[in-house]
Amino acid sequence: NAGVMQNPRHLVRRRGQEARLRCSPMKGHSHVYWYRQLPEEGLKFMVYLQKENIIDESGMPKERFSAEFPKEGPSILRIQQVVRGDSAAYFCASSPLATGDHTEAFFGQGTRLTVV
Amino acid sequence: AQKITQTQPGMFVQEKEAVTLDCTYDTSDQSYGLFWYKQPSSGEMIFLIYQGSYDEQNATEGRYSLNFQKARKSANLVISASQLGDSAMYFCAMREGRSSYKLIFGSGTRLLVRP
Repeated sequence: NAGVMQNPRHLVRRRGQEARLRCSPMKGHSHVYWYRQLPEEGLKFMVYLQKENIIDESGMPKERFSAEFPKEGPSILRIQQVVRGDSAAYFCASSPLATGDHTEAFFGQGTRLTVV
Repeated sequence: AQKITQTQPGMFVQEKEAVTLDCTYDTSDQSYGLFWYKQPSSGEMIFLIYQGSYDEQNATEGRYSLNFQKARKSANLVISASQLGDSAMYFCAMREGRSSYKLIFGSGTRLLVRP
């Protein structure tokens, strides 16, 4: 859904650099979810955030990965000291509700990270 | 344990024919939701259709319908009158429980529509 905006669409980083991925949710949505899609696989949940709070980061790797959703501005997924295995598509989704009552989850167009 | 299983890595269908993409799921929750997404070669995830576990009727959205067989734990996607633009990856996903926000995805099926 075009309402969830992710940038950049493509990001190339050398090993050891930092990657910062941005997600602006749909207007009126205060819940953001990040997913990762490795090549030839389905999406896997990483983290769920509300404004200024991390609610569930059970899918996040323990090291080098962090996420935030500040009071103002987009949600940021940050990957420090990237390695080749971080190469993937990273998708952001947003919803207006905290619970699963939503019958849709709108995804952004994704950021394709390539680590060289 | 794998929660969502899509057993067809790839499928072909002739233009204008119908095609069924299989999806089976595993959950102990009574309340859950099932989603289908389309991912074209451009990479975005496009929501197609949703089925709630308590919905009595199969969901339909235009040319898409969901063949929901609760006892068999299957939620197959049926695309009628296939078009060339339907060529894409298709993912089945599940949300467990009314209070869950996580989607669990299958590995996908690549559909190619032949002219």
